Amino acid sequence: QQQVKQSPQSLIVQKGGISIINCAYENTAFDYFPWYQQFPGKGPALLIAIRPDVSEKKEGRFTISFNKSAKQFSLHIMDSQPGDSATYFCAARPAYSGAGSYQLTFGKGTKLSVIP
Amino acid sequence: EAGVTQFPSHSVIEKGQTVTLRCDPISGHDNLYWYRRVMGKEIKFLLHFVKESKQDESGMPNNRFLAERTGGTYSTLKVQPAELEDSGVYFCASSQDVVDTQYFGPGTRLTVL
Repeated sequence: QQQVKQSPQSLIVQKGGISIINCAYENTAFDYFPWYQQFPGKGPALLIAIRPDVSEKKEGRFTISFNKSAKQFSLHIMDSQPGDSATYFCAARPAYSGAGSYQLTFGKGTKLSVIP
Repeated sequence: EAGVTQFPSHSVIEKGQTVTLRCDPISGHDNLYWYRRVMGKEIKFLLHFVKESKQDESGMPNNRFLAERTGGTYSTLKVQPAELEDSGVYFCASSQDVVDTQYFGPGTRLTVL
């Protein structure tokens, strides 16, 4: 049972275009939704994150849109650049209850290629 | 500040052999996590240490996997005996507090032939 579903699996975007990656979750206990960016040979690195009390968060060219009722969130990369070419993972984590683990549940990843 | 480091970066072993992966977390980070990504699949949680104690090992696939964290510093993940389905990239992550950002290492790519 995959708790976080991510699409598309791969994405090719022209330089300057908008890249959009979507994720959907099932567990209503999730209350923290980060996006990780991974370059070849490197580990995933936190890019941007959102909590469900806001519907949108923007950091530079990167924006997360969050729809709590639909249990969906998406990453938008504006003015995509070749340097953005990487694998992007959405993830989710439950609210901290003071006990137990606090593991991240990941989507399968999206390989983004930005072509000049 | 040094990031999370993992050793080796690659390991190729025969089925039935033993392999030990090592993770050095960011200094001062009490929380250490192991994850695994099998090709084409999602990154999956294996276990979580708080200092030297196992907080959650619900993601460990079976008893062929043994994780330790000596003195609350570095951690090792031993696979014995390795099977073909153990192939994948093993990531280690650490965080200072359990609610903080998890910082990932570059991973160890394990190939079992």
